[in-house]
Amino acid sequence: EAGVAQSPRYKIIEKRQSVAFWCNPISGHATLYWYQQILGQGPKLLIQFQNNGVVDDSQLPKDRFSAERLKGVDSTLKIQPAKLEDSAVYLCASSLRKLAGTDTQYFGPGTRLTVL
Amino acid sequence: AQKITQTQPGMFVQEKEAVTLDCTYDTSDPSYGLFWYKQPSSGEMIFLIYQGSYDQQNATEGRYSLNFQKARKSANLVISASQLGDSAMYFCAMREGLEYSGGGADGLTFGKGTHLIIQP
Repeated sequence: EAGVAQSPRYKIIEKRQSVAFWCNPISGHATLYWYQQILGQGPKLLIQFQNNGVVDDSQLPKDRFSAERLKGVDSTLKIQPAKLEDSAVYLCASSLRKLAGTDTQYFGPGTRLTVL
Repeated sequence: AQKITQTQPGMFVQEKEAVTLDCTYDTSDPSYGLFWYKQPSSGEMIFLIYQGSYDQQNATEGRYSLNFQKARKSANLVISASQLGDSAMYFCAMREGLEYSGGGADGLTFGKGTHLIIQP
């Protein structure tokens, strides 16, 4: 079974530019998450989708970050304009969203963003 | 207040020794789940083990076990017979509210991690 796919793996941009990240979850996984991991810290949830609807975006800086999940499969996270403090690894995860149980989140390899 | 606290920023352990990585958590929700993930230098997060708040027994997965002490709010990861390939960052994470009804928010809250280095 293929895992969570993300692209690009690395991205370097100048501040105030825009950037977009793509994620393809594990087949059949209804729930998709985007996390931001700043160097030296644990991941922080940015947004959660259930199918193509947003469940939680309370920690998403909405003045510059946006995300969508059209057709309930692939997702795109965009930053516009980028700031220096956006330098981080952006991790995408997906889960089956069972009614009960462990409901493990499986992570992709991440996109490392450097803002200069 | 931190919801997940990992007090060991780094650890050096000899190969084949057992390792205990500490994790304490803070929640008022009676229903929660605790996860451990491994993050090698390649960057991806690898799921290791899960413990639910209502589970009566400590979780085990191969060489990994979770020492769950609910009253102390601790969920320490134990790795038996450590190997060189165990060198990585290890993160403890929590999800509050296990009962789903219509799909509520269930993102994970992570600690800051422990950098484990296994020495030959």
